[in-house]
Amino acid sequence: ETGVTQSPTHLIKTRGQQVTLRCSSQSGHNTVSWYQQALGQGPQFIFQYYREEENGRGNFPPRFSGLQFPNYSSELNVNALELDDSALYLCASSSTDSSSYNEQFFGPGTRLTVL
Amino acid sequence: GNSVTQMEGPVTLSEEAFLTINCTYTATGYPSLFWYVQYPGEGLQLLLKATKADDKGSNKGFEATYRKETTSFHLEKGSVQVSDSAVYFCALTPYTDKLIFGTGTRLQVFP
Repeated sequence: ETGVTQSPTHLIKTRGQQVTLRCSSQSGHNTVSWYQQALGQGPQFIFQYYREEENGRGNFPPRFSGLQFPNYSSELNVNALELDDSALYLCASSSTDSSSYNEQFFGPGTRLTVL
Repeated sequence: GNSVTQMEGPVTLSEEAFLTINCTYTATGYPSLFWYVQYPGEGLQLLLKATKADDKGSNKGFEATYRKETTSFHLEKGSVQVSDSAVYFCALTPYTDKLIFGTGTRLQVFP
């Protein structure tokens, strides 16, 4: 069973640029959630995708957007980067089709630094 | 609203000591409760969970009991090891759409 993978591992951007982060969900999982974890903090929910549609969103501005593809992989896009966007971005996958439907399994994260 | 409060860290222990990390929550309805662990430079790993009142989650010697009357989900381990050094996050999900995390508690175990 393949776990959740994310790419790239690290990324450095400058303020105002745009970034795309990628996530492959765990085999058999149909739901992907994204979280932002600032240094020394707990992860904050950005949004969730299910069946290629956004299925819940946290308190993040519209410049944070996402996609889910038919194979359940996902992208997180952030436009007009700000210094405060520097964080670890975590992707988590889960399945609505199992008894463990509310368990989310996390990838290793992408460390984004905005200069 | 929904929120999770964890004890401040770091928690510093000697190997084989008893561990307790306190977690309390505020939630509407009947949330599921989780403990996740994050090792340095890594993502989060699910440690244990409980889905209803009085459930006990357990894994790798760690335990936590869902106490609805005190809205708590304290993490315990009888004998910690150096390899348990990590950051521990308590979390809840009121629905299936998102996890709400506490701020994390760093555990440092010394030989």
